[in-house]
Amino acid sequence: EVQLVESGGGLVQPGGSLRLSCAASGFTFSSYWMHWVRQAPGKGLVWVSRINSDGSSTSYADSVKGRFTISRDNAKNTLYLQMNSLRAEDTAVYYCARDRGYSYGFGYWGQGTLVTVSS
Amino acid sequence: DIQLTQSPSFLSASVGDRVTITCRASQGISSYLAWYQQKPGKAPKLLIYAASTLQSGVPSRFSGSGSGTEFTLTISSLQPEDFATYYCQQLNSYLLYTFGQGTKLEIK
Repeated sequence: EVQLVESGGGLVQPGGSLRLSCAASGFTFSSYWMHWVRQAPGKGLVWVSRINSDGSSTSYADSVKGRFTISRDNAKNTLYLQMNSLRAEDTAVYYCARDRGYSYGFGYWGQGTLVTVSS
Repeated sequence: DIQLTQSPSFLSASVGDRVTITCRASQGISSYLAWYQQKPGKAPKLLIYAASTLQSGVPSRFSGSGSGTEFTLTISSLQPEDFATYYCQQLNSYLLYTFGQGTKLEIK
C-alpha cells in the first residue's frame, strides 16, 4: 500500500525556517517525481515545488522561489522541503504528492502537515 | 504562466442531478488536465487524468472531456458522497503546475 506521511510542521515566527519531511513507503520511491502542494486555511490548492526521480531537476512556484528548497533522499525514501524566510502568507497545510508520470496528475497524497507563520 | 479558471465557483444541486463543471485554460494545454475531489479536512483525490481518463476505482458517473483550452467534469447522477470541492490542474509544463480556484458543490 502506498503511503506518504508528512511531518515537521508547526508554529514559526516570520523570517524563520522549517524543514518538512515526507516519508514514503509501499512503492519504489526512487522511480517517481514528487511534489509539494499547499492549501491556506479555507483556500484552494497551490502547487509549490517539484523534484524529478533522482533529484537532479527541480522547479518552484514564483511565490516560493529563492526561499524554499525541495530535495530527496532516495536511500531513506524521504522527500524534504526546506522553507526559509517564512512569511505569514506561507501559512498552510503542506501536502506531499506522488506524480503518476506522463503528466497524468498526482495519484497519491499524504495527509498534510500544518505550517503556521505568526509572531 | 498558464491560468485556469473554473466555473462556477459554487454549485448547489440535489442527489440524482447531473452537474457539469468547466475549466478554461489561458492557453492551450492539449489534454494535460487532471480533476481532483477534496472533502473537508482530507487530501485531494485524483478523479480524472489526461482530460478524460478515469482513475482506477473512481465511479463511472464521473467523466471528463475537452482539449486545448476548455474542459469539463461531469457527474451524471449526484450521490451524497459527491458533495465536495473539485479542482482542475494543468500539467502541460513540468516547470510549473497550476490548479484552478476550485468549485464547491453543495447540497440543495
